[in-house]
Amino acid sequence: AQTVTQSQPEMSVQEAETVTLSCTYDTSESDYYLFWYKQPPSRQMILVIRQEAYKQQNATENRFSVNFQKAAKSFSLKISDSQLGDAAMYFCASSRPQGAQKLVFGQGTRLTINP
Amino acid sequence: DAGVIQSPRHEVTEMGQEVTLRCKPISGHDYLFWYRQTMMRGLELLIYFNNNVPIDDSGMPEDRFSAKMPNASFSTLKIQPSEPRDSAVYFCASSRLDSLGQYFGPGTRLTVL
Repeated sequence: AQTVTQSQPEMSVQEAETVTLSCTYDTSESDYYLFWYKQPPSRQMILVIRQEAYKQQNATENRFSVNFQKAAKSFSLKISDSQLGDAAMYFCASSRPQGAQKLVFGQGTRLTINP
Repeated sequence: DAGVIQSPRHEVTEMGQEVTLRCKPISGHDYLFWYRQTMMRGLELLIYFNNNVPIDDSGMPEDRFSAKMPNASFSTLKIQPSEPRDSAVYFCASSRLDSLGQYFGPGTRLTVL
């Protein structure tokens, strides 16, 4: 079974600064995928970034990047040049690589951007 | 692409009534998922379909919950009879076998009084 843990219920950052959200996971699978989803007040779940566990290179999407530490089972999200529109709940999730990719979510981190 | 479409966006009903939530997945996606989000339990997978066939319904909380997918472009999640503890946001998501990640609909906020 897969488990995902986000230990930071809330985080805040000044606009234009950098913030890192933490996530740890546990799995018995040798291969798996990891994701960060954003849920703004509109409640829409938006896929932010994804990482295939077999890839050593950290994924990057514009201002969003991850620090994937496979041995430590850590998958943190770094947001650079924070913008007011980044304010949201952020969920870390994992899935198996084959078939349906059922997502297992962490508890979420609420990110506040201070102007 | 229109994205995943869910209806209604909001539903308020009274205990004991039947509730039907609807979902239209992204065209070409062959997996469809139903999730429930509550403050207490977070995001939970209820059931998922592959090519319209239910594959895993182990997350369905009780027999009061049922889901169908009569064709590739439509799915329903039904609660009968509804109870106040069913109040939550229900998400539908879809994906392809070769895609990384699922694409979510806007969710249906259900309130059972």
